[in-house]
Amino acid sequence: GEDVEQSLFLSVREGDSSVINCTYTDSSSTYLYWYKQEPGAGLQLLTYIFSNMDMKQDQRLTVLLNKKDKHLSLRIADTQTGDSAIYFCAESNTDKLIFGTGTRLQVFP
Amino acid sequence: DAMVIQNPRYQVTQFGKPVTLSCSQTLNHNVMYWYQQKSSQAPKLLFHYYDKDFNNEADTPDNFQSRRPNTSFCFLDIRSPGLGDAAMYLCATKRGRRGLSTDTQYFGPGTRLTVL
Repeated sequence: GEDVEQSLFLSVREGDSSVINCTYTDSSSTYLYWYKQEPGAGLQLLTYIFSNMDMKQDQRLTVLLNKKDKHLSLRIADTQTGDSAIYFCAESNTDKLIFGTGTRLQVFP
Repeated sequence: DAMVIQNPRYQVTQFGKPVTLSCSQTLNHNVMYWYQQKSSQAPKLLFHYYDKDFNNEADTPDNFQSRRPNTSFCFLDIRSPGLGDAAMYLCATKRGRRGLSTDTQYFGPGTRLTVL
């Protein structure tokens, strides 16, 4: 079945870049998403990439997709303390999202 | 300009006492979802409505029911909450177009359910 995996934790210093990685198994995924969840809150859509793209940039966010390796990454430039949260990648090719396990990003001064 | 609204944000119920969680949306999206998210876990899809068509996930317990009286509102009913049902419940919506690539799901802020 479909499976999406992420590393559980990432700790970075404020001002550095963060790279959060995700691997997935469903090669028919149409869209891949990154969601951010702050403590006690819902999921906020950060960005998404269509499966026929390799890269998408949106301000401080850069998404890279390696479809051959089924690898997705989210790079956050100039990471700030407000970026501390859990980041979920998700894939879809139907009406459903398959979420990864989430990566907890901790930003320290 | 809230787009997906969930009420209440925090709900406390007693073991076995029925509870209803509410979701409304101003996006006029035809697809609505309910997810359960336990601590430090990914959201787990319980069911979704595509227009009026109800789609239950195979592993969703019978204790969980849903109603969608109109496009804007969707309710999650937990008939006899157990301690294991304590979680964050997330509602999401999407503009669905059958047979085409998916559109983005937009999430509400969630309702945190505590079962005493």
